[in-house]
Amino acid sequence: DIQMTQSPSSVSASVGDRVTITCRASQGISTWLAWYQQKPGEAPKLLIYSASSLQSGVPSRFSGSGSGTDFTLTISSLQSEDFALYYCQQYNNWPWTFGQGTKVEIK
Amino acid sequence: QVQLVESGGGLVKPGGSLRLSCAASGFIFGDFYMSWIRQAPGKGLEWLSYISSGSTSIYYADSVKGRFTISRDNARNSLYLQMNSLRAEDTAVYYCARSMGSADSWGQGTLVTVSS
Repeated sequence: DIQMTQSPSSVSASVGDRVTITCRASQGISTWLAWYQQKPGEAPKLLIYSASSLQSGVPSRFSGSGSGTDFTLTISSLQSEDFALYYCQQYNNWPWTFGQGTKVEIK
Repeated sequence: QVQLVESGGGLVKPGGSLRLSCAASGFIFGDFYMSWIRQAPGKGLEWLSYISSGSTSIYYADSVKGRFTISRDNARNSLYLQMNSLRAEDTAVYYCARSMGSADSWGQGTLVTVSS
């Protein structure tokens, strides 16, 4: 199985900060990578697919980049509603697998 | 708008069975792959299974292979997960999701608790 490793596990930031989360795959996955946001008690929400494509309705402050094994999710200017858990997920090889999550907390 | 509503969760004893359902609306169900994904309490996400639009391709995670069966009824706009030989480690919120690699729509989830 492809292992997905996110870093950091948590990040403390303030409103307006730029936040970057990294996801590394244990083997190359081209750009078959998605990013999700999950708030407490809610289902995950798709933010980014194909590594850099913004899902419809997602604010443009979210962006994704990378290919192969190294990927990043960037929030250009953190808003209060962005404090949440973020997961990456590969869909290059079955079983599709998620990273362990990164918690974005209020500083 | 796309809506996915899971049902069928609950408390079941180890070794027992449960059938989850997911009712879909707001899109042409028969055109999309569908999946089941779970999340144990306080833990991360695990993709369990997916089924192609015509049920010709089905995949399972090793953790549930041989115990869980995914199926769909396109005429009823419904997705199912038959879960047999349940274990304590199957305790989780189970989500159905519209997916073709990435999951662009999720249900609210249904909680399955396996405990004696």
